[in-house]
Amino acid sequence: DAGVTQSPTHLIKTRGQQVTLRCSPKSGHDTVSWYQQALGQGPQFIFQYYEEEERQRGNFPDRFSGHQFPNYSSELNVNALLLGDSALYLCASSFRGGASYEQYFGPGTRLTVT
Amino acid sequence: KNQVEQSPQSLIILEGKNCTLQCNYTVSPFSNLRWYKQDTGRGPVSLTIMTFSENTKSNGRYTATLDADTKQSSLHITASQLSDSASYICVVSANTGGFKTIFGAGTRLFVKA
Repeated sequence: DAGVTQSPTHLIKTRGQQVTLRCSPKSGHDTVSWYQQALGQGPQFIFQYYEEEERQRGNFPDRFSGHQFPNYSSELNVNALLLGDSALYLCASSFRGGASYEQYFGPGTRLTVT
Repeated sequence: KNQVEQSPQSLIILEGKNCTLQCNYTVSPFSNLRWYKQDTGRGPVSLTIMTFSENTKSNGRYTATLDADTKQSSLHITASQLSDSASYICVVSANTGGFKTIFGAGTRLFVKA
């Protein structure tokens, strides 16, 4: 039973570029949430996708966008990268959205913006 | 404002000793509280999840308590091992009809031999 997988593991981009991160949820899960975790901080909620729609969004600018595919996998896109976007990006999956369902996290993608 | 505060920020203990981590929250209306363990550079791994009616829950050497009246939770680690060195994150979810989950900043635990 595969857990949550994310790709790539590490990524280095230049300021102003665009990046796409990918996530496959745990088998049986249909909801994907994305988080940004700066060094030494707790994860900050970016948005959640359920039934291929963005259901909830945290306090992140429109440069952050996403998508969910029919197979429940998801992408996080960040445009016009800033140095401050350097962080660990975590994907978490759960079943049928909502806060009451336990989330399983992927290993994360480490993004470095230079 | 919905907040989750954890203390201490970091902690150093000797292998074999016990320790207790604290979590205070103001998230409302409360749905559940979870403790996660996060190794450096890795994704968080769930330790326990508690709803309003649960006062304590154990997972091996980890025991979490919840006082919904005072909005406090603790995570007690018994007979610590070197592999317990990690960040421990308290996460509180609110039942607002939509998704609202607030993460604490975590407590960084160092277990020394």
